[in-house]
Amino acid sequence: GAGVSQSPRYKVAKRGQDVALRCDPISGHVSLFWYQQALGQGPEFLTYFQNEAQLDKSGLPSDRFFAERPEGSVSTLKIQRTQQEDSAVYLCASSFSTGLLSSYEQYFGPGTRLTVT
Amino acid sequence: SQQGEEDPQALSIQEGENATMNCSYKTSINNLQWYRQNSGRGLVHLILIRSNEREKHSGRLRVTLDTSKKSSSLLITASRAADTASYFCATLTGANSKLTFGKGITLSVRP
Repeated sequence: GAGVSQSPRYKVAKRGQDVALRCDPISGHVSLFWYQQALGQGPEFLTYFQNEAQLDKSGLPSDRFFAERPEGSVSTLKIQRTQQEDSAVYLCASSFSTGLLSSYEQYFGPGTRLTVT
Repeated sequence: SQQGEEDPQALSIQEGENATMNCSYKTSINNLQWYRQNSGRGLVHLILIRSNEREKHSGRLRVTLDTSKKSSSLLITASRAADTASYFCATLTGANSKLTFGKGITLSVRP
């Protein structure tokens, strides 16, 4: 496809359930990012991959959050034992490259809206 | 934590008018980017300005950057109803590759 795709678009989970959110980046994009966007707020960084390597996971709010990108393409964000405060839109973005002097913009997917009841 | 702070938080203008949105940030940056988000959708990149640039244009968009004041402004000229959306500034800093976003500005353009 031409853009970043995410699935599912909407997910309702009961508190305590595990969820897995998928991101398909733009083909050939080296970098992949996950963000969490609460209602009425800007996106907040969760984690970043360069190819299959997770270079920064400083934004993951707890050890219940886990992300992987085993083959350097598709990525999955997993949330274990979901809590109500996990309710948010989870955005995935990809970028051709990155680096200190990089000017590469990030291309965002439509997001997955997670509601924990 | 969010580095960028946009103002105003909400802006309502008539079609054809210009819209000016401001963003302030706290730490040194490599570049600053503006994104648009339509309701229920992902973010769309609008324009990027590097820390050594002062002004940039793209179509009806004009962005300025003042690193001494740690601020940026986005001007949308001749606004259209389709410009109605939320606008976010985001900064790229240091050795990090992550973007740090502000809370956003809600722009409403009345037809």
